[in-house]
Amino acid sequence: DAGVIQSPRHEVTEMGQEVTLRCKPISGHDYLFWYRQTMMRGLELLIYFNNNVPIDDSGMPEDRFSAKMPNASFSTLKIQPSEPRDSAVYFCASSPIGTLTEAFFGQGTRLTVV
Amino acid sequence: AQTVTQSQPEMSVQEAETVTLSCTYDTSESNYYLFWYKQPPSRQMILVIRQEAYKQQNATENRFSVNFQKAAKSFSLKISDSQLGDTAMYFCAFFSNNAGNMLTFGGGTRLMVKP
Repeated sequence: DAGVIQSPRHEVTEMGQEVTLRCKPISGHDYLFWYRQTMMRGLELLIYFNNNVPIDDSGMPEDRFSAKMPNASFSTLKIQPSEPRDSAVYFCASSPIGTLTEAFFGQGTRLTVV
Repeated sequence: AQTVTQSQPEMSVQEAETVTLSCTYDTSESNYYLFWYKQPPSRQMILVIRQEAYKQQNATENRFSVNFQKAAKSFSLKISDSQLGDTAMYFCAFFSNNAGNMLTFGGGTRLMVKP
């Protein structure tokens, strides 16, 4: 398996524009997570899905952020409108069924909003 | 490219005892940071401890300490007086300003603390 695949690797956009980050989890994994990483705050869990259903989105910073998982092999994280403070690295991760199971991380998308 | 390897998928320890989690990495960088993150059942990623590569002194945070061997590219985490709340996944991570400003994670070690 190729692992968790995120795209794009890097994104530079202007303030006010819509940004869509994409993630393909590992086949057969039932959990998918979106994290945001900054040097100031470390890693923050934004939202996670179980069997394509959002379970906990309490980490989503505000209404400008939305995430979807239309099927088991694809998820998006959208920011509309984007702001400079959204600049960060966004990680997607997936894990198989269970509670304390391994989470496999994608390589991340570095977002810069100017 | 940087790689981070955690060779122990699972470990267990008795409450109050000490456990060491292993991490090795590969990089050509000379200046970088290393981290241990804890992921409890809540799924949050909690920073446990960080180490700057230019510092020879091993970082310590209460019951958590590291053994940083730069020449060997090894960064192990020691948990003393293990508590039930330490049960979690632990991820070793590498960061360098010259490596795309991204964290590179190991595969994780599942630690179970038994009463």
